[in-house]
Amino acid sequence: NAGVTQTPKFRVLKTGQSMTLLCAQDMNHEYMYWYRQDPGMGLRLIHYSVGEGTTAKGEVPDGYNVSRLKKQNFLLGLESAAPSQTSVYFCASSYERAVQYFGPGTRLTVT
Amino acid sequence: AQSVTQLGSHVSVSEGALVLLRCNYSSSVPPYLFWYVQYPNQGLQLLLKYTTGATLVKGINGFEAEFKKSETSFHLTKPSAHMSDAAEYFCAVTHTGGFKTIFGAGTRLFVKA
Repeated sequence: NAGVTQTPKFRVLKTGQSMTLLCAQDMNHEYMYWYRQDPGMGLRLIHYSVGEGTTAKGEVPDGYNVSRLKKQNFLLGLESAAPSQTSVYFCASSYERAVQYFGPGTRLTVT
Repeated sequence: AQSVTQLGSHVSVSEGALVLLRCNYSSSVPPYLFWYVQYPNQGLQLLLKYTTGATLVKGINGFEAEFKKSETSFHLTKPSAHMSDAAEYFCAVTHTGGFKTIFGAGTRLFVKA
């Protein structure tokens, strides 16, 4: 099992550009999450999904959109990137409503 | 509302010394509590968890934590630090009815030779 994978690993964007981060899991988990990690702030939940075709807002959803068209994939989109979105983004998935399995992260820089 | 406080953003210990990382939480309902570890340039991985039952839980790599309801604490300990324990550690809480996990700000552990 690959577990949770994220694509790409690194990306540099200019302000105003758009991009999509892809998360894939092969564990047949129902729940999937997108977090951002910033120094001294731990992980903050951006959006989450409790099943295929469903999404919900987390703690810091502004400037991001998500889609869960297939159970194994959870996409995070930035329509118009801003420097404040420079961060490390982690995807996670879980079977039960508790233990989460994390991907390796995507380091995004917006200039 | 739930919250998690980790005391000390950085902790430094000598190899072979006791490791103690502190975590206090607030939750209005019975919580699930977790410790995750993050090695450089990697994602988080579960170290241990408390859901119900025995309040002293053992995790991987010799770590353990004790849930103390009266103190709203879930401190992480390891009797003897190893160089490979150097990493960032996150305490987290989820309440039993919810999906959202709240993470602490993290504690970076340094181990000196």
